[in-house]
Amino acid sequence: DTEVTQTPKHLVMGMTNKKSLKCEQHMGHRAMYWYKQKAKKPPELMFVYSYEKLSINESVPSRFSPECPNSSLLNLHLHALQPEDSALYLCASSPNFNEQFFGPGTRLTVL
Amino acid sequence: ILNVEQSPQSLHVQEGDSTNFTCSFPSSNFYALHWYRWETAKSPEALFVMTLNGDEKKKGRISATLNTKEGYSYLYIKGSQPEDSATYLCATQGSGNTPLVFGKGTRLSVIA
Repeated sequence: DTEVTQTPKHLVMGMTNKKSLKCEQHMGHRAMYWYKQKAKKPPELMFVYSYEKLSINESVPSRFSPECPNSSLLNLHLHALQPEDSALYLCASSPNFNEQFFGPGTRLTVL
Repeated sequence: ILNVEQSPQSLHVQEGDSTNFTCSFPSSNFYALHWYRWETAKSPEALFVMTLNGDEKKKGRISATLNTKEGYSYLYIKGSQPEDSATYLCATQGSGNTPLVFGKGTRLSVIA
């Protein structure tokens, strides 16, 4: 298995909802990343996990809560989001903290 | 240059034309330059990773060059095909395995 998968592909949620995004890879990569991408903007790094430990948090609001339950799985828990959080959320993994392999993303809409 | 900048923002070419676009980046604390191709509704796909000044990489009809002293990279596509239509992202990486910093991308449309 040589790909990064993300579920769901699309998610619509209200500002009071709690939801989670899921990312999975079975390539043995030890670095995993969450990015946020808004239209016509570059992907912006949110979090980096290194060997299942959070190593970088780019000052992301606490309404986004990452979790790495094991080396293959990365979750992003969402609670009390705002409409401006609507974006494409990309997950990536890396074998060497250099080249990154991306998932197809989850398109999130917050109403 | 403080950020990673890509130009043009978008580009329309006829099938069979060759084309190129630019990625400019800060030359200080440079470690690597990455190019990705991102087709709509798919995952960004890694094309090249380059680290040395003067590096040239080629993959089929696509090639890239790197100038770390002046802080730019060119991506070339020879004989563009409709399947080349995508957004081409570049990203830089500083030393110490630091995270990638992306440009906004160049959106290429190849018209048959």
